[in-house]
Amino acid sequence: GAVVSQHPSRVICKSGTSVKIECRSLDFQATTMFWYRQFPKQSLMLMATSNEGSKATYEQGVEKDKFLINHASLTLSTLTVTSAHPEDSSFYICSAREDRGLGNSPLHFGNGTRLTVT
Amino acid sequence: GQNIDQPTEMTATEGAIVQINCTYQTSGFNGLFWYQQHAGEAPTFLSYNVLDGLEEKGRFSSFLSRSKGYSYLLLKELQMKDSASYLCAVRDSNYQLIWGAGTKLIIKP
Repeated sequence: GAVVSQHPSRVICKSGTSVKIECRSLDFQATTMFWYRQFPKQSLMLMATSNEGSKATYEQGVEKDKFLINHASLTLSTLTVTSAHPEDSSFYICSAREDRGLGNSPLHFGNGTRLTVT
Repeated sequence: GQNIDQPTEMTATEGAIVQINCTYQTSGFNGLFWYQQHAGEAPTFLSYNVLDGLEEKGRFSSFLSRSKGYSYLLLKELQMKDSASYLCAVRDSNYQLIWGAGTKLIIKP
């Protein structure tokens, strides 16, 4: 089946530093990838939609200068949390939609990244 | 506004059957998805419904009624490993996924 690899799975960083999270579709092409954030016992919150070769579309309230998204190829999107603060500590999940051209293409999720900012 | 409702938590017994309901009000409809999420892990895809009726996949089945804005996920022969959160998500007219808050399913021996 379709596999999405997200790396790293866990990261601890100091306040003020930047962290890059990678999301790769291993056996399919994904023009569109999504980045979510999930707080404990809460549902997924869409942060942004990443489109290959163009600028990401950010959801309302998400700072684009803080959460930098790059989608340089059909199989790789990256999320960089810049100048991280403790309140950025969360579970970040990426997903990718197969370029099947069908409306029922499901999302395939990466395993998530647990970010802790100290 | 757009809204998806599902129960916060349900408890069932190992070997039994449980039905998790989901009702939605969205701007258009382009399919409904069910995902399973174990604690600390990313969601995994379970099922997709776009037409009315029942989709069966092993122990799991999903039902959709578009006129009622209603879906359910049916889990049979429950196993302890089925303890997880189950997320209902609807794709709206803009092909955006609207997520429910998830139903935490607790399986007891």
